[in-house]
Amino acid sequence: AQSVTQLDSQVPVFEEAPVELRCNYSSSVSVYLFWYVQYPNQGLQLLLKYLSGSTLVKGINGFEAEFNKSQTSFHLRKPSVHISDTAEYFCAVKVRGAQKLVFGQGTRLTINP
Amino acid sequence: EAGVAQSPRYKIIEKRQSVAFWCNPISGHATLYWYQQILGQGPKLLIQFQNNGVVDDSQLPKDRFSAERLKGVDSTLKIQPAKLEDSAVYLCASSLGATITDTQYFGPGTRLTVL
Repeated sequence: AQSVTQLDSQVPVFEEAPVELRCNYSSSVSVYLFWYVQYPNQGLQLLLKYLSGSTLVKGINGFEAEFNKSQTSFHLRKPSVHISDTAEYFCAVKVRGAQKLVFGQGTRLTINP
Repeated sequence: EAGVAQSPRYKIIEKRQSVAFWCNPISGHATLYWYQQILGQGPKLLIQFQNNGVVDDSQLPKDRFSAERLKGVDSTLKIQPAKLEDSAVYLCASSLGATITDTQYFGPGTRLTVL
């Protein structure tokens, strides 16, 4: 069965600093990878997804992620964060041929002024 | 375009009571999902519907949880009787279809507290 590990439960950064949120997955078959963001008291919103093709994926709000098959990773990055990026970020995986999304435990990103 | 609607937003009950949550998906979306999100964890799929048929309910505790989507549109998730460990946010999501390119859109969730 596939699983997702988000290596940091909390990441504090200063405003305008770069940030990387780490995600590793395990699966014996091909996967599709997703990052979702959850703002306080709201549902999850898709940030970006990797289905195939270029391993560097660009999403909304200036975020991007890179799929690394050899390291089974899909880390999320932003070169300069804003206060409004404060939220919980979830990495998720879907195995090829299956319909279920499996989520990591989440990383809380806190932006300090 | 209206998003996924859920009600109520908050619910507090005592253990052994019953509770029901309602979800109205985005118009035209054939696939509907219910997730359980326990504090500090990622969402876990409870059940997936394709129109009014169940596609996956492998992680639904069927001794106490039930869900239906009778007309293939809105859906109800019920817990009877509730346990303390059922305290969580229950998220509903919908997608146009169930292919890999179909994005899941999430509602705001219902926060359940069982005392």
